[in-house]
Amino acid sequence: QKEVEQNSGPLSVPEGAIASLNCTYSDRVSQSFFWYRQYSGKSPELIMSIYSNGDKEDGRFTAQLNKASQYVSLLIRDSQPSDSATYLCAVWFSGGYNKLIFGAGTRLAVHP
Amino acid sequence: EPEVTQTPSHQVTQMGQEVILRCVPISNHLYFYWYRQILGQKVEFLVSFYNNEISEKSEIFDDQFSVERPDGSNFTLKIRSTKLEDSAMYFCASSWDSGNGGYTFGSGTRLTVV
Repeated sequence: QKEVEQNSGPLSVPEGAIASLNCTYSDRVSQSFFWYRQYSGKSPELIMSIYSNGDKEDGRFTAQLNKASQYVSLLIRDSQPSDSATYLCAVWFSGGYNKLIFGAGTRLAVHP
Repeated sequence: EPEVTQTPSHQVTQMGQEVILRCVPISNHLYFYWYRQILGQKVEFLVSFYNNEISEKSEIFDDQFSVERPDGSNFTLKIRSTKLEDSAMYFCASSWDSGNGGYTFGSGTRLTVV
C-alpha cells in the first residue's frame, strides 16, 4: 500500500512567521512530489513541485526533498492570513503504480 | 490561464439513480483523472485515462463506475446506481505528462445522494 502521511494540524502561526509543513511517503521509487493548497469547499491548487533532492524556492514558498529519508516539506515565509488553508502533499508513485496519491493534508491557520 | 471545467457544480440524486459527471480537460493535455473527496477526508484517486482507455483504477472504482471520452473534449464519469456513500466532491483533473507535471484540477462536482 502506497502511503503519504501528514500531520493533520491545525498548525497555527502568527502573521509574518514561517510555517513549516511536513510529509513522509512510503515508497522509494517515487520521483515526483507536489504541494497543493485547498481552501475549504474548493479544489486542490498546485503551488509547488519538486523532483530532486534539495531545496526549491518560488516566491514565499520553499519545498525541500530528502529521498533517503522519504521526506518532503514546505516552508511558507512571511505567512499571511490568506495562506490559511489545508496543504496537501502529493506523491506520484511510478514503477507500475502510476498514480498521484494525496496525504490527508495539514490545516494551516495564520492569525493576525 | 487554461482551466479544467466541470459540470454541474452540484448534483442531488436519489439512491439507485444513475448520474453522469462531466469534465472538459485542458485542450493539450493527454492524461485525465477522476478523484473524489468525502467531506472531511482525503482526496482519493479513482481512475486515470490515457489514449482512450483506463490506465489505472483504484479499488473504489468498481463495476458501478465507468468513464468515457465521447468526443475530443469531454471526459465523463458515470455512476450507474448511486449509493448514499457515493456522496462526495468529485474532481476531474488533467495533465500533459503522467508523472512529471502536476495535475490541474477542476472546481469539482458536489454529489449528494439522498
